[in-house]
Order: sequence, then C-alpha cells, then structure tokens
Amino acid sequence: DGGITQSPKYLFRKEGQNVTLSCEQNLNHDAMYWYRQDPGQGLRLIYYSQIVNDFQKGDIAEGYSVSREKKESFPLTVTSAQKNPTAFYLCASSARLNTEAFFGQGTRLTVV
Amino acid sequence: DQQVKQNSPSLSVQEGRISILNCDYTNSMFDYFLWYKKYPAEGPTFLISISSIKDKNEDGRFTVFLNKSAKHLSLHIVPSQPGDSAVYFCAASAGSMYSGGGADGLTFGKGTHLIIQP
Repeated sequence: DGGITQSPKYLFRKEGQNVTLSCEQNLNHDAMYWYRQDPGQGLRLIYYSQIVNDFQKGDIAEGYSVSREKKESFPLTVTSAQKNPTAFYLCASSARLNTEAFFGQGTRLTVV
Repeated sequence: DQQVKQNSPSLSVQEGRISILNCDYTNSMFDYFLWYKKYPAEGPTFLISISSIKDKNEDGRFTVFLNKSAKHLSLHIVPSQPGDSAVYFCAASAGSMYSGGGADGLTFGKGTHLIIQP
C-alpha cells in the first residue's frame, strides 16, 4: 500500500538526550515536511525538503536537525538543545512543494 | 504574526444541519488553500482544496468558498454527520503549482473543533 509511515508512534526520551524520529514514504513524492503540533496550536513547520540532499528551515527549526539522503526518507532528530520537545510530531509528503500534502500518523514524543 | 487564522476554536452543529467553518488569511501571496480533518492522535487527512483562480470548489458534502478580496475562505459541510466530528485545519501556500513557484511549506491555522450533536 502506498503511504507515509512514521515510527515509533510513542517515544519517551530523557532530558539531555537526542532522539531521531523516522519518516518513510513510498509515494514517490519529491517534497517532505516535518510539523509539530502542541495543544491549542496549529501545525507549525519545523523543516521541509523539496528534493533529495536539500532541506530548508521552517518556522521553528531551532533544536532540530534533518537529513534527506534518500527520496523516500526524511528523519528528524530532536536534539538536547530543543527546550520544549514534548509534542506531537507529524511528517508529510507531497508530489511537489506546496501541493496536497499527505500526513503520517504522527509520533508523540514525551520528555521524562 | 499569524498568517492563517481560524477564530472559532470550536463549533457545535446538530446532525443533518450545515456546518460552516471559517478561515481568514493575511498574506496576499497565498494562492492555494486546503482543508484538513484531524482525529485525535492521528495525522491530518486532506479534505478539499481551492486555488486562487476559483471561488468555489465542491466535492460531495464538502464545498469550499474563497473570497479573495476579503482574504476569507469557508468550508461548508452539508448535511453534517456524526463522523464529521473532528478538528479541521485550514492551510495556505504561496507559490503553488498554479503560480509556478515554490516558497515553503503549508501554513496552518490553529484549527476548529467541530462537534456534531445527535
């Protein structure tokens, strides 16, 4: 089945640790995105990638890093520099930048 | 500064009636607008979109209206069904395929929680 897969669904991290969230798509989409959702907030863009080996910072990139070595994969690392990492993280992809985006099921990250 | 605003955090509608969700935007460069539906602990699912060259787009029970001069769009759901209860996000982009350029990712509103009452 074609789609976008995020793993894990739930993730717990100790303060001071880096953690990497996985995002894989088999839709042959060029563009991929990472969003963060907090209670009472809309989806805020962390990073996006228009094409392999290229990515750009979104509105709230501080404390995060990404890579795009393969078209189908766009992992997000939440570093210890991110002050409030507890949130629901959503990965998305679209055929081209800013066309309809399809979302994964999300990863809920909790810092303990 | 919020570029996409959904001013109603929640909306309660009786089953069978029309649900109208509103969205305002401030960036005049936005030329493509989308509505997403989201259930708790799941990713948003795409519902319907409209480009700035149109003022209406319809898909089954869902219709989106765009008023460019007012920088306002609305999503109409008729008739409303219990399964429509969810959070609805309005999103916008500048430089979509319709204008031939790319800018950055979609900008989302904060969402409106629609509750359909039996």
